Amino acid sequence: QKEVEQNSGPLSVPEGAIASLNCTYSDRVSQSFFWYRQYSGKSPELIMSIYSNGDKEDGRFTAQLNKASQYVSLLIRDSQPSDSATYLCAVNMGTGGFKTIFGAGTRLFVKA
Amino acid sequence: KAGVTQTPRYLIKTRGQQVTLSCSPISGHRSVSWYQQTPGQGLQFLFEYFSETQRNKGNFPGRFSGRQFSNSRSEMNVSTLELGDSALYLCASSLMRAGGQETQYFGPGTRLLVL
Repeated sequence: QKEVEQNSGPLSVPEGAIASLNCTYSDRVSQSFFWYRQYSGKSPELIMSIYSNGDKEDGRFTAQLNKASQYVSLLIRDSQPSDSATYLCAVNMGTGGFKTIFGAGTRLFVKA
Repeated sequence: KAGVTQTPRYLIKTRGQQVTLSCSPISGHRSVSWYQQTPGQGLQFLFEYFSETQRNKGNFPGRFSGRQFSNSRSEMNVSTLELGDSALYLCASSLMRAGGQETQYFGPGTRLLVL
């Protein structure tokens, strides 16, 4: 079992729709969770960080965390073609500092 | 504020050689982490340095090593290069304030090709 698992996709949604990205992780004591966006040929860019159970909203993005189920999700509302990218779920599994483990990423296509 | 910088941006080496990559974190950031990204394995954690000490380590062989200087700049070294070491090497920095809720910011990466 991989430490951080994501559906590799690709996920295709029409412009204006909600894109839903999911991630599960294996380490029950992890406390920090991140979603990064990576465009082809570029480095990862932080979209959201979440540390507590529940929802966290930032503009069109909502991250959801359920530690009991070891599950993190990202919702993108009103998806735009510019949102087309690979979305990486990341979990910090370090007991001090950073030991960030990434999922394989979900490729999202938003069709105009 | 300037972002994370990495040098060189591109590098071509041959098998058996060694290579040193450099990372300058965002000003004031003390934690520097290194990652390897390949199409087959994705983004994998190599190691993290904080205050010149390696604090966390991933599952890479001893050929991969690093260090951090007093100004928080970090270098990563790969000895006896193998074809499979061809990858994008990413550096990320963080402030590491008290409380533990921190985020990492990535540099543009160094693309290494081993022939």
